[in-house]
Amino acid sequence: GQQVMQIPQYQHVQEGEDFTTYCNSSTTLSNIQWYKQRPGGHPVFLIQLVKSGEVKKQKRLTFQFGEAKKNSSLHITATQTTDVGTYFCATRDFGNEKLTFGTGTRLTIIP
Amino acid sequence: DTEVTQTPKHLVMGMTNKKSLKCEQHMGHRAMYWYKQKAKKPPELMFVYSYEKLSINESVPSRFSPECPNSSLLNLHLHALQPEDSALYLCASSTPDRSSGNTIYFGEGSWLTVV
Repeated sequence: GQQVMQIPQYQHVQEGEDFTTYCNSSTTLSNIQWYKQRPGGHPVFLIQLVKSGEVKKQKRLTFQFGEAKKNSSLHITATQTTDVGTYFCATRDFGNEKLTFGTGTRLTIIP
Repeated sequence: DTEVTQTPKHLVMGMTNKKSLKCEQHMGHRAMYWYKQKAKKPPELMFVYSYEKLSINESVPSRFSPECPNSSLLNLHLHALQPEDSALYLCASSTPDRSSGNTIYFGEGSWLTVV
């Protein structure tokens, strides 16, 4: 099956600093999805990217899909305490209901 | 109503007990999933049901038995579990679609402790 790695595994930032997590695959991905899981919570869908080089923004969050469709990034500008949680990228096989998660990046904010 | 409801939220069971986790959605989704998540790890797929038929079993031990009584309900029957089965069990649903990807909605999960 597909393996999707994320870096870094952990990130501690001062409130107000920016944060980026990267998602990398050895194979071409048909799509990439991003989820956020708050401590003690469940994964919540953030966004889906399907086109090569696609960039989408949600307020302070910017999502990018690489030109080769093998990597993706999530960038948060001016982090807030509400951004705390683990961010997972995930990919859905074409023609398959299976959603495979990346290893995740845990973000903690120092007030 | 974009909600997946799971019960119970917390369950403690002994290794000889039989219990069930339940999941319900009323979004008309025809694909439903069970995921297992250990602490500080990503969710791992266990089972997928598509149109009430089991379509994926990720080599899950038989002490976990899924059941899909109808398009809105998904159960996970538990029997003779081991302490290492303690985890967060997540139910999810989506529209089964052969196109490239769509949203999967997760329930809040059932925290299972096996003693």
